[in-house]
Amino acid sequence: QKEVEQDPGPLSVPEGAIVSLNCTYSNSAFQYFMWYRQYSRKGPELLMYTYSSGNKEDGRFTAQVDKSSKYISLFIRDSQPSDSATYLCAMSYSGGSNYKLTFGKGTLLTVNP
Amino acid sequence: DTEVTQTPKHLVMGMTNKKSLKCEQHMGHRAMYWYKQKAKKPPELMFVYSYEKLSINESVPSRFSPECPNSSLLNLHLHALQPEDSALYLCASSQPGGWTEAFFGQGTRLTVV
Repeated sequence: QKEVEQDPGPLSVPEGAIVSLNCTYSNSAFQYFMWYRQYSRKGPELLMYTYSSGNKEDGRFTAQVDKSSKYISLFIRDSQPSDSATYLCAMSYSGGSNYKLTFGKGTLLTVNP
Repeated sequence: DTEVTQTPKHLVMGMTNKKSLKCEQHMGHRAMYWYKQKAKKPPELMFVYSYEKLSINESVPSRFSPECPNSSLLNLHLHALQPEDSALYLCASSQPGGWTEAFFGQGTRLTVV
């Protein structure tokens, strides 16, 4: 079982739709959860960062972490064509010298005008 | 300023060439990373520097040689690469400890011919 599982899609939605992106993980030591957006041929851009369980909202984006289920989500409200990109979840944990980010495979999202 | 700057943006090199990739950040981060990303795959960690010392080498071939001259700069020296090394090379930075968000540069797209 991979440490982080993410459905690669592709996911295609009409403009204005609510988008739900998800990752599951197996390592209960993960405490820090990030969502990155990556446009084609560009570097990943940090969208949301959450520590432990709970919700975090930033504009049209909401990140949720459920540590009991080992499940994280990113919701995009009122999706726009400019949201079309690959969305990567990433996780890490503190302790010792471990600085590794563990990524999901990424979900390719297309928002159609 | 949450910017990580990478140069060059594109690089084409022959298998006998020596070249270097450069990365710079001015966020006061003391951990810097090199990742390699192939098309439609998530980033793969290559090296981690913490407080200017190499702390993680993910069994990367010696034709890749990292260097961290100071807390703001990170280089990746390339020599005798193979065509399969063609990829997007990403630099990232964060505070050490794996417990804070990591910011990525836009990457250098490397083609080995």
